[in-house]
This record gives sequence, structure tokens and C-alpha cells, in this order.
Amino acid sequence: SYELTQPRSVSVALGQTATITCGGNNIETKNVHWYQQKPGQAPALVLYRDSNRPSGIPERFSGSNSGSTATLTISRAQAGDEADYYCQVWHSGNVFGGGTQLTVL
Amino acid sequence: QVQLHQSGPGLVKPSQTLSVTCAISGDSVTSNSAAWNWIRQSPSRGLEWLGRAYYRSKWYTEFAPSVKSRIIINADTSENQLSLRLNSVTPEDTAVYYCAKQNDEIDVWGQGTMVIVSS
Repeated sequence: SYELTQPRSVSVALGQTATITCGGNNIETKNVHWYQQKPGQAPALVLYRDSNRPSGIPERFSGSNSGSTATLTISRAQAGDEADYYCQVWHSGNVFGGGTQLTVL
Repeated sequence: QVQLHQSGPGLVKPSQTLSVTCAISGDSVTSNSAAWNWIRQSPSRGLEWLGRAYYRSKWYTEFAPSVKSRIIINADTSENQLSLRLNSVTPEDTAVYYCAKQNDEIDVWGQGTMVIVSS
């Protein structure tokens, strides 16, 4: 089976840049999607196919995917960005990372 | 826009069958580009994909190995809805269950249905 590894938590100062990683074997060969989940809500797509933003997602959200690590970067972090973030790929089924809790200090 | 509205009982007894329904609006369950997923989330297991159904001139289903022997996903074209049945549940099946629409990415999620397995 395929596994995605994320840090359990990341902290960022207000207005600074947060980086959330997603590790997987040769992940660069896969399309990586990122979801944001706030308490009591369903996950919501924030990036698709590594670095594409759905309509309504600010340019502060960007992504990359190289080697064995995909990265979600949130620039100029805001209090409203506090959430859990999950990466996801398709590998004989949908595979999700364990999630990263982002705290904005 | 596409919306998914879920319904189903919140409490199921061990060994019984869990059932959740997902009503689709703004798209068709027979869409040739979408796949309709069931995903669950629990503190112990995180986000866990259970399976999906999709229509490409005929119906296809794919299931996670962990539940393959217990899961049924049906599409009701007359009601434009998707259903999940999970048999022989145990307390380990306690989770929030989501239906979700997928092209490549999962771009629409239902609101979630909390299901507790308890006697």
C-alpha cells in the first residue's frame, strides 16, 4: 500500500510563511491534492494537481511536488488559515496523509 | 453548483448494517467524468477512503481492501443519489462518513454523517 507522511503540526507567526510537507515514495509522479478542514466542517479543496488553485482560493496558497515530497505553502498566514491540512493522491484508491494541524501564532 | 446532501441514522448496533444516502444536486450520478466516493474520518484512522462508483457507459465500483468484503455502494439513477451500506459493523466503524465527488481531485464533499456503532 502507498503511504503519505505529514507532520502532525506546524506553527507559523501571523503574516509569515507556513510550509506543510507531504512525503511519499516517488510522489512527484503523482497528482497531489490538498484539502483544508476546519472544526466541524468537511474538508475543502485548496490545491489540485500539485499547484493549481480552485476558484476562490487566494494566491497566498501555492504548492510544489518534487522527488519524494509535495509541499503546500501558505504565504502571509492569517488567523483564518488555522485548520487541518491533508494531502491526497490516487494509488489504487484514494490515499490521504495523516493531516497537519496549522496553528497561526 | 454541485451539492451533496447526506442522510442516515446516527446510531447502529454492532453486527448490523450501516446505511448512508447521498442526494446529488447540480450534477448527475451517471456523469461520464465524475466518480462518487465514500470516505470516513475518525480520530484513530484519519481520513479513510472506502470506495467509489462511477459510470462510463456501464457502472464500475472500486473498494478499499480493508472493507471490500463488507461494503456495497449503489447508485440510484431515478433519485440521482448514491448509497453506502457497510455490513457487520463494529465499534471500529464509528466515524463521520462523507460522500464526495471526484474528477481527479475531490472537489465536492457532503456535509458528513456521524455514525456511532454501539449497543
